Amino acid sequence: DGGITQSPKYLFRKEGQNVTLSCEQNLNHDAMYWYRQDPGQGLRLIYYSQIVNDFQKGDIAEGYSVSREKKESFPLTVTSAQKNPTAFYLCASSRLAGVSSYEQYFGPGTRLTVT
Amino acid sequence: AQTVTQSQPEMSVQEAETVTLSCTYDTSESDYYLFWYKQPPSRQMILVIRQEAYKQQNATENRFSVNFQKAAKSFSLKISDSQLGDAAMYFCAYRSLNDYKLSFGAGTTVTVRA
Repeated sequence: DGGITQSPKYLFRKEGQNVTLSCEQNLNHDAMYWYRQDPGQGLRLIYYSQIVNDFQKGDIAEGYSVSREKKESFPLTVTSAQKNPTAFYLCASSRLAGVSSYEQYFGPGTRLTVT
Repeated sequence: AQTVTQSQPEMSVQEAETVTLSCTYDTSESDYYLFWYKQPPSRQMILVIRQEAYKQQNATENRFSVNFQKAAKSFSLKISDSQLGDAAMYFCAYRSLNDYKLSFGAGTTVTVRA
């Protein structure tokens, strides 16, 4: 079954600790994305990557970092510099060309709680 | 980021009835994509329907259809014959042809009454 996996589903951390959220896809998609979802605000783009070893900041990149060492993987690190890290985080991927390149496929998400 | 506005935080519909969700957006581009995504309680985002701005014909997918008014920058979603499984949060989203990023509205929660 092709798809996107995010782990863990729920993550708890103490304030001041960095935490890394996992995202893996086996859809052979070139592009991957990280979104943050807060109540009443929809999804906001944190970072995205179109090719391995390259990524761009989205609208709310401050306090976050990413890497793209493999096509299949796009981990997101929430650093201690992120002021309000508690949120639901969604990873997505898409083709860059061809049929259905307009569509982003989403993972099941990770709920991060920082206390 | 492009601005996408969903002015209805919540909508309620009787089973088998029709509900229409509103979405407006702000852009200076002439070609772009618009989408409606569904997020049920499981929180898995599912693409419901898409519309290419260059197409005048409104998109339809089974019980879901859109009313795309390009000049008014409006993109509403109509759910016909509502079913209990339609209960979810619905997000309107915009994507430029020159970019791969999606800009989302704040979402509308749809409740279906049995």
